[in-house]
This record gives sequence, C-alpha cells and structure tokens, in this order.
Amino acid sequence: AQTVTQSQPEMSVQEAETVTLSCTYDTSENNYYLFWYKQPPSRQMILVIRQEAYKQQNATENRFSVNFQKAAKSFSLKISDSQLGDTAMYFCALRPGGSEKLVFGKGTKLTVNP
Amino acid sequence: DTGVSQDPRHKITKRGQNVTFRCDPISEHNRLYWYRQTLGQGPEFLTYFQNEAQLEKSRLLSDRFSAERPKGSFSTLEIQRTEQGDSAMYLCASSPTGRGGTDTQYFGPGTRLTVL
Repeated sequence: AQTVTQSQPEMSVQEAETVTLSCTYDTSENNYYLFWYKQPPSRQMILVIRQEAYKQQNATENRFSVNFQKAAKSFSLKISDSQLGDTAMYFCALRPGGSEKLVFGKGTKLTVNP
Repeated sequence: DTGVSQDPRHKITKRGQNVTFRCDPISEHNRLYWYRQTLGQGPEFLTYFQNEAQLEKSRLLSDRFSAERPKGSFSTLEIQRTEQGDSAMYLCASSPTGRGGTDTQYFGPGTRLTVL
C-alpha cells in the first residue's frame, strides 16, 4: 500500500520569510514520482513542483525547492521569499510507477501573514 | 488552453436521488481522472481513463458509482441512490500522453455535492 503523511496540519509564515513543509511517504516501488500541489481558497489545484525518484538532484522551480531524501522517504517543500499569494492548502502526492493514480496526503494549510 | 472544466460546480440533492457530473478535459489530453475530496482530507483516486477505456478503478468506486468517457473526450460520473456519505468535492483532472509518471495532472475546479 502507498501512503503519504503530512504531519503539519497548519503553518504560518511572515511575508518574505522562508518556510518548509514536511512530507513523508511509504511505497514498496522502486520507481515512483513525487509532487507538491497547491490549492488556494476556493480555487483549483495546481502543480507546484515534481520530482522523479530516480533523480538525485533536488527539483527547484523559482522560489520553490524540495529536499528529497530517498532513504528516509522524505520529500519536504521549501518556499523562499513567501508571498501573500502563497496562502493555500499544500498537498504532497505520490505516483507509484506503473500506476496513473496520485496518492495524496491530508494537506498543510499555509498562511502567509503581511 | 481553456483548462479542465466541470459542471455543475455545486449540486444539492436528497438522499436516494441520482446525480451526474460532467468533466471536459483540456483538448487533446487523452488521460482523464476522477478524484473525491472530503473535508479536511486530500483527494482520493476514483478512476482513470485513457481515451475511452477505463483502465483503473479504486475500491472506493462502489456499484452505485459509474463513470464513462464514450468518445474519449468529456467524461461523466454518475452516483445512483446517493447517500449522505457521498457528500464531497468531486475533482476531475486530465493529462497528456507522455513519458513516464511526470505527466502533470491538471485539475478542474470540482463539483461540490451535498446530500441532504
């Protein structure tokens, strides 16, 4: 079975500061993919960043970067220079190789304060 | 690129009634997915189509649920004899055919179902 755990239900950060959201996962697959999705209030979910498990290098996307620790099955998201528009639910998701489905965590509600 | 659209955005129904939701994927995306999201939870996978073929179904998809994608374009999700436990946000996503699992799934705004 595949599981994704986000241990921080809520977090807050001051504008322009850096925040890290945690995610751990469990899978028996050797090949899999990891994603962070953002769901702003009353808006649709959008992809923030993705990581192929076979790649050693951590993915980065502008102010967003991940710390992928494969042995520890950890996939944290770092948001630098936080902006008010970053306020949203953030979901970590796992896609096992050979399957098309995404397995999501319960999410972390991030609030960026002015 | 107009994005994934879903209709209706909100649906209120009485227990025991049937409801049908529609999803229009991004044009030329041949993969389409349905997820269900209850309050305080992440989305849960329901089913997946490649073109018109339904290739994967979750155990969550009970006999009361049926999904179709007859022409490989839009999809419908029907729930028969609705129960209060069916109250949730139903999300649709689509993705293009590409290499490996990094194909991004693009989500629609969802249909919020309330069963009274």
